[in-house]
Order: sequence, then structure tokens, then C-alpha cells
Amino acid sequence: DSGVTQTPKHLITATGQRVTLRCSPRSGDLSVYWYQQSLDQGLQFLIHYYNGEERAKGNILERFSAQQFPDLHSELNLSSLELGDSALYFCASSLRGGDNEQFFGPGTRLTVL
Amino acid sequence: DQQVKQNSPSLSVQEGRISILNCDYTNSMFDYFLWYKKYPAEGPTFLISISSIKDKNEDGRFTVFLNKSAKHLSLHIVPSQPGDSAVYFCAAKRLQGAQKLVFGQGTRLTINP
Repeated sequence: DSGVTQTPKHLITATGQRVTLRCSPRSGDLSVYWYQQSLDQGLQFLIHYYNGEERAKGNILERFSAQQFPDLHSELNLSSLELGDSALYFCASSLRGGDNEQFFGPGTRLTVL
Repeated sequence: DQQVKQNSPSLSVQEGRISILNCDYTNSMFDYFLWYKKYPAEGPTFLISISSIKDKNEDGRFTVFLNKSAKHLSLHIVPSQPGDSAVYFCAAKRLQGAQKLVFGQGTRLTINP
């Protein structure tokens, strides 16, 4: 158990809908990262928040947005969902950044029908 | 542009022997490298890391070697155990700037009894 929690574990929805994925980092960690793993793909970086502020963006679609709240939990919002958004979404946390390893949650499996 | 590559999608090794997983990278700005292990339905679990100022880091049965001139790193597991059967991801990052991990596609390691 990495100490990072993600809810829900599974999510099934229809095209055009909007969903929210939630992540709670390890106790004491200030950084939260979101990654997407599509079928047969490696993990792709989406976005990084540090202590409530956005620090870096990767290949995140404009239909996707995220935020980190004062209690340091984070939410990833996916809207106008398409079939191709079906994937595993992982959240990771670290104390700061730099040489700190990132610890991953169990992921949320999103299926768009 | 695949900046981190794991060219072997799968590897099969006999229990007790050495497992060697390979990873190549193209971006010379990467200066920190990590290996993660992933079981089905779980998030990636951090295994071992190495800074670019070193060429070897050892932790129990796991050793990571870094050859900067060749832009190549490898993970050695010895002796291999059945519980080591998993997908192994190589990841790279820059210590300065965006704290995103760039992942390879993964290698599925199977340890045969």
C-alpha cells in the first residue's frame, strides 16, 4: 500500500458525459501528479500540482482539468468524454519534486461507452 | 517521440537465475532514472532509482546500472523469484524544471519455477 488513495476504482460512463476522479496523496506529500495509461501504452504525464499550484502540464487535453485543494487532495475532471478517453488514470504523490520518488495510487479505470 | 524505450515487451527467466531488463533513452537532459514494478489491477510500485552522477545503485536483489554515454540503463534482479513476475517500467526525469516522469512502454517479466 503506497498510501495514495484514488476513488472511484472503476467508472463506466457514456460519451459526452463528465466525470471527476479523486486522489488523496500520502500524508505529508505536497506534490500530486496525474498520469494516463491507455491500452498497451506506457504511462503518459498529464499534470503536476504542488501545494495547490499548477507546476507543469503534459499532454493534457483541453477537455480535461485538474485542481489541488487546500487539504492537498486533487481532482481530475474529464468532460465531453470520448471513446478514446477510456484508460487507467493514476495519481502519484511525492514530498516535493526533484529527486523524490513518486508513489502511485491504485488507479481509476475509466470506460467510456 | 518516444524518449524512453523498453524494446523487449516480454522476458521469461527461470527461478533463481538473473533477470536483466533494459531501457534506452534519447533525451540527454534526463538526470534521474527510476524503475517501477506493476502488478495487474495495482498502481506502479517504486523499486529503485539512480542519479546520473552514479553508474550503479544496489538495493538487495535489485541493481540498476547506468551508462550515460550509451544512454542506457538496466535493472538486474538476482536471484529471480516467482513474486518478481510483473510488468517493469523504466522512467526518467529531470531534477530541475518540470517534475514529470517519462515512462517506457514496460517489459512483462515472467519467472518460471
